[in-house]
Amino acid sequence: NAGVTQTPKFQVLKTGQSMTLQCAQDMNHEYMSWYRQDPGMGLRLIHYSVGAGITDQGEVPNGYNVSRSTTEDFPLRLLSAAPSQTSVYFCASSYGQAYGYTFGSGTRLTVV
Amino acid sequence: GEDVEQSLFLSVREGDSSVINCTYTDSSSTYLYWYKQEPGAGLQLLTYIFSNMDMKQDQRLTVLLNKKDKHLSLRIADTQTGDSAIYFCAEKRGGADGLTFGKGTHLIIQP
Repeated sequence: NAGVTQTPKFQVLKTGQSMTLQCAQDMNHEYMSWYRQDPGMGLRLIHYSVGAGITDQGEVPNGYNVSRSTTEDFPLRLLSAAPSQTSVYFCASSYGQAYGYTFGSGTRLTVV
Repeated sequence: GEDVEQSLFLSVREGDSSVINCTYTDSSSTYLYWYKQEPGAGLQLLTYIFSNMDMKQDQRLTVLLNKKDKHLSLRIADTQTGDSAIYFCAEKRGGADGLTFGKGTHLIIQP
């Protein structure tokens, strides 16, 4: 029972590079989301999806793209990395709000 | 938007009770959550409470909800060294997707 799996765990990028953060869940959750965690800032919602083929923006979507072609996977793409995107990124999924949200272990991204 | 407010630090002695407080923002929030984050790890759901409840108990954890004051608290009985972590309060705002988090409370356990 893997839960929510995020890869990679660590990544260093140069400014301007692009990359995809992977997120997969095996719990058949319809709802998936991406957050970023910055020191002293709590977690902020980047993008979310309520089911395959449906995505929407959260609080801080600029510089990120998402897609949801399957129920299991919800990748987050950085189009042109900037130092301001240095953060820890968490993927979360849920059956629904009454069940809470299950979080992955995070990807620590550094942009130099 | 408005912030979910939490104290940044709480220090308690091992064996005492810890009470972590949170003030949330939206009176129409339906669910309120407490998450625990240990160093280098993701967030672990501890407990949650539906907005029509005023108390929920789960083993050593007690959640109290005061809707009038928009105040949420988490009490951890018999605090142990393994409880040392950051505790996040989060609300599910009415009409919004995703959760709105506080900045987290660092719980420090003194021997």
